[in-house]
Amino acid sequence: GAVVSQHPSWVICKSGTSVKIECRSLDFQATTMFWYRQFPKQSLMLMATSNEGSKATYEQGVEKDKFLINHASLTLSTLTVTSAHPEDSSFYICSARGPSGRALGSYEQYFGPGTRLTVT
Amino acid sequence: EDQVTQSPEALRLQEGESSSLNCSYTVSGLRGLFWYRQDPGKGPEFLFTLYSAGEEKEKERLKATLTKKESFLHITAPKPEDSATYLCAVQARSSNTGKLIFGQGTTLQVKP
Repeated sequence: GAVVSQHPSWVICKSGTSVKIECRSLDFQATTMFWYRQFPKQSLMLMATSNEGSKATYEQGVEKDKFLINHASLTLSTLTVTSAHPEDSSFYICSARGPSGRALGSYEQYFGPGTRLTVT
Repeated sequence: EDQVTQSPEALRLQEGESSSLNCSYTVSGLRGLFWYRQDPGKGPEFLFTLYSAGEEKEKERLKATLTKKESFLHITAPKPEDSATYLCAVQARSSNTGKLIFGQGTTLQVKP
């Protein structure tokens, strides 16, 4: 259980174009999903928190007009990198918050396999 | 400020040589502490959640423990397939979204 998929697994695009990445929770409903960015040999950097049916909450320093997030259903969130530039090249990972199944209310996050974006 | 620090940054072990990874944290009220394993080019894989000091959890050769200030991930008789980056993260009670604060990770290499 608790499987999260991402599509595509890798993408190459030209500078100035837009790219959409999908994140799906396959066997559970996720009211909250998260989008991370990871640079080589570094830890995960949270970009935004996506809530189903409402606007995403972006971390400080993340351009919301550049990284558009849509959480249209309880199993799907999308990240669109608009007008991509070479500096947007990175490994993007989504996670979905599992149901609160613990007495203390802890929310485990389950991660997708990641999407490697290369902008030429 | 909530913070997570992992040590060492990198660890090389011989197959069968047991060791521990450390995760020190400061958080304004701990809701949970999480351990993940990440292989190169892949997303993190969930390992454990710990909720309160004194709690321990085991999975195969891995055992996670928790105190009020730190967590340890003990690896007993590691095998080459245990080579990966191990990430520690905390979740604060103040977060209503379940946001995780990650450490920088420990990269483990187990040589046969």
